[in-house]
Amino acid sequence: AAGVIQSPRHLIKEKRETATLKCYPIPRHDTVYWYQQGPGQDPQFLISFYEKMQSDKGSIPDRFSAQQFSDYHSELNMSSLELGDSALYFCASSLRVGINEQFFGPGTRLTVL
Amino acid sequence: TQLLEQSPQFLSIQEGENLTVYCNSSSVFSSLQWYRQEPGEGPVLLVTVVTGGEVKKLKRLTFQFGDARKDSSLHITAAQPGDTGLYLCAGVLYSSASKIIFGSGTRLSIRP
Repeated sequence: AAGVIQSPRHLIKEKRETATLKCYPIPRHDTVYWYQQGPGQDPQFLISFYEKMQSDKGSIPDRFSAQQFSDYHSELNMSSLELGDSALYFCASSLRVGINEQFFGPGTRLTVL
Repeated sequence: TQLLEQSPQFLSIQEGENLTVYCNSSSVFSSLQWYRQEPGEGPVLLVTVVTGGEVKKLKRLTFQFGDARKDSSLHITAAQPGDTGLYLCAGVLYSSASKIIFGSGTRLSIRP
């Protein structure tokens, strides 16, 4: 079965640079979520989109923005990167109707030097 | 403070032993999921419980949702080294169906 696809899997950036992470949800899923997971921590919710509209907002810094496109893929844009932004970034998708199970992608490991 | 408290945080046991991981909250959830995560990879969904008092079994894993839908447990029978990993509970709040709240995680290590 098709799973959530994330790209790139690994990304190395310098401080103050920008980064764009991409997420392709499971086909027919209408909701996308972004999470940040620091070393030894549980995933922290950043933002979610339902039917291309922002649905909920968590602890996403103002330097970050995200959107969901007409084909339901989503991009997380990160600007003025800081050392503390180094983390695993996960995208999850779900079908909003019903029990709303979230299925996670393999993640993007971002390293800011 | 963590909305979903998971315990224990760390657990190291011998192969063949049984164990239980707990996930507790003062909030009511419309559903609760259990995930297992390997280092550097995304959480993999193991099970979703929806009905208060529900029990679901997945081979040697037994998941239970509390009657009041505020807590859940994961019981592993005859643990094997392949069960090693990070176990996360995650709940969907009635008040916000668009995000899930993760527990703090239980890092499980099974010694051969």
